[in-house]
Amino acid sequence: QKEVEQNSGPLSVPEGAIASLNCTYSDRGSQSFFWYRQYSGKSPELIMFIYSNGDKEDGRFTAQLNKASQYVSLLIRDSQPSDSATYLCAVANNNDMRFGAGTRLTVKP
Amino acid sequence: EAGVAQSPRYKIIEKRQSVAFWCNPISGHATLYWYQQILGQGPKLLIQFQNNGVVDDSQLPKDRFSAERLKGVDSTLKIQPAKLEDSAVYLCASSLGWSLGGAETGELFFGEGSRLTVL
Repeated sequence: QKEVEQNSGPLSVPEGAIASLNCTYSDRGSQSFFWYRQYSGKSPELIMFIYSNGDKEDGRFTAQLNKASQYVSLLIRDSQPSDSATYLCAVANNNDMRFGAGTRLTVKP
Repeated sequence: EAGVAQSPRYKIIEKRQSVAFWCNPISGHATLYWYQQILGQGPKLLIQFQNNGVVDDSQLPKDRFSAERLKGVDSTLKIQPAKLEDSAVYLCASSLGWSLGGAETGELFFGEGSRLTVL
């Protein structure tokens, strides 16, 4: 069974702070890693993808991947109330993409 | 560019009844997915198509769920008979496909989902 684990939260941070979201996965053959954001009642939308070890930055978002530890994270700098959502970690091995249960983030003004 | 279209958006049925959901992916996307998302959980893959062939249906409850993708474009997911635990949002997603190192082509584009309530 290929597992993707996330802390369900809720994670609460004040506006302007850094939010740190974590994800571990069990399939060592996984090649691609994605973070999706899902607002309540809406469908997931892609924030970032990463497939090499290290950091990848895009604006206020930084994805970090450590394949040896089977760990991927998402940092959100200068968190805004509009970032309040559930963040889904997705892990893919070629065509097979699996999602974690998501971490609910609340950014308080 | 038109997104992934799904219908109906909402459906309420009684247990043991049947229901069908329809999905039209983004034009040119070879891969189509059906996910089930129960409230408070992440999306669970039910079935994946590559063009009109099934790639993975290992988590599809085949005694009651069926899906097809005729001509490699539209897809239909059917549940017959429905159970209370089938209450969920059924998400259809599509992607261009995959190539080694081409993670960006693996991005899934989701439809708005079909919310099913089984009473």
